[in-house]
Amino acid sequence: AQSVSQHNHHVILSEAASLELGCNYSYGGTVNLFWYVQYPGQHLQLLLKYFSGDPLVKGIKGFEAEFIKSKFSFNLRKPSVQWSDTAEYFCAVTPTGGGNKLTFGTGTQLKVEL
Amino acid sequence: GAGVSQSPSNKVTEKGKDVELRCDPISGHTALYWYRQSLGQGLEFLIYFQGNSAPDKSGLPSDRFSAERTGGSVSTLTIQRTQQEDSAVYLCASSYPPTGELFFGEGSRLTVL
Repeated sequence: AQSVSQHNHHVILSEAASLELGCNYSYGGTVNLFWYVQYPGQHLQLLLKYFSGDPLVKGIKGFEAEFIKSKFSFNLRKPSVQWSDTAEYFCAVTPTGGGNKLTFGTGTQLKVEL
Repeated sequence: GAGVSQSPSNKVTEKGKDVELRCDPISGHTALYWYRQSLGQGLEFLIYFQGNSAPDKSGLPSDRFSAERTGGSVSTLTIQRTQQEDSAVYLCASSYPPTGELFFGEGSRLTVL
């Protein structure tokens, strides 16, 4: 079975700082990878996803993530965070091929200070 | 509606009572998921329905938990003899295709006193 680790549980940054949130997964086969975001008081929504092709994927609001297969990683990055990026971020993985559940990490709570 | 709809949005119950949580997925979505979100625990997978296939129930924490999906659409998560540790936000999501983007509902916050 697949699993996901997010090592940063709480991150506090100042506006304009750069962001990198770690995500590592465990699974022996090919996978689809996702980052979801939950803004305060809102429901979870997709930030970006990787299925195949270019390992550097770009999502909404200036976020990007890089799939490094050799490291089983899918870290989320943003060059310059804004106060409005304050949210909880979840990495998720599912084996490719369909018919499989999506497994989430425990989440990273990001707080951006003015 | 356009999104995943869950009801009730908030439920307070006494220990030992049964509760039912409802999820109405996006029309046409064949996959439906239930997750539980507790403080500091992230999203815990509970159960997954895909079309007419047998559901993946591997995440249900005990036999007090059950779920059904009628007519390939609406799903009900039932928790019998609720315990205080069942207090959490129960999230429903749907997708099409099954490994594509999950669309989440607002969740049902359950508080067991």
